[in-house]
Amino acid sequence: KQEVTQIPAALSVPEGENLVLNCSFTDSAIYNLQWFRQDPGKGLTSLLLIQSSQREQTSGRLNASLDKSSGRSTLYIAASQPGDSATYLCAVKGNTPLVFGKGTRLSVIA
Amino acid sequence: EAEVAQSPRYKITEKSQAVAFWCDPISGHATLYWYRQILGQGPELLVQFQDESVVDDSQLPKDRFSAERLKGVDSTLKIQPAELGDSAMYLCASSFTTATSTDTQYFGPGTRLTVL
Repeated sequence: KQEVTQIPAALSVPEGENLVLNCSFTDSAIYNLQWFRQDPGKGLTSLLLIQSSQREQTSGRLNASLDKSSGRSTLYIAASQPGDSATYLCAVKGNTPLVFGKGTRLSVIA
Repeated sequence: EAEVAQSPRYKITEKSQAVAFWCDPISGHATLYWYRQILGQGPELLVQFQDESVVDDSQLPKDRFSAERLKGVDSTLKIQPAELGDSAMYLCASSFTTATSTDTQYFGPGTRLTVL
């Protein structure tokens, strides 16, 4: 059974700092991995989707990498801003429905 | 930009009552998903539809939950009777296809259910 773990569970950083969020998964037989953002009490917004054949994807200040063989992905956020404060979830897609981690709650302090 | 619509946004009910949630996916999206998200956890799939057919409902508590997508467009999720443990965010998502390598799911704003 696929299990997804996100570390740390919570993170607080000063504005302008670069940061890395980690995601690990137990079954490397995946089709893709997706990073989402969730604001309090809201739905999920897709940030980046990495196919299993890809190593990384970039969108603006966000860069996500995937190492399928080791079961790891990282989300790098450059020059963090208070507006980046949210919970970040990673999810993997294999032969089962999307399996989500519990998320990392990020606070960027101005 | 097209969005997934859900209603109501918030629902408070007493245990043993019936509740229903509605979802309208992005136009043209054949696949529709219902998820349940308990506070502090990631979403977990309850049911997946491909057009009007159920593809996966293995995690749906069928003794009290039901879901339908009669015309293959919008969908309703019902709970009867509601229990205290059903308090959660119910999220609807849709995708254009179920192509495993490119399937991006788009989520609605969710319905926050509180059972008293």
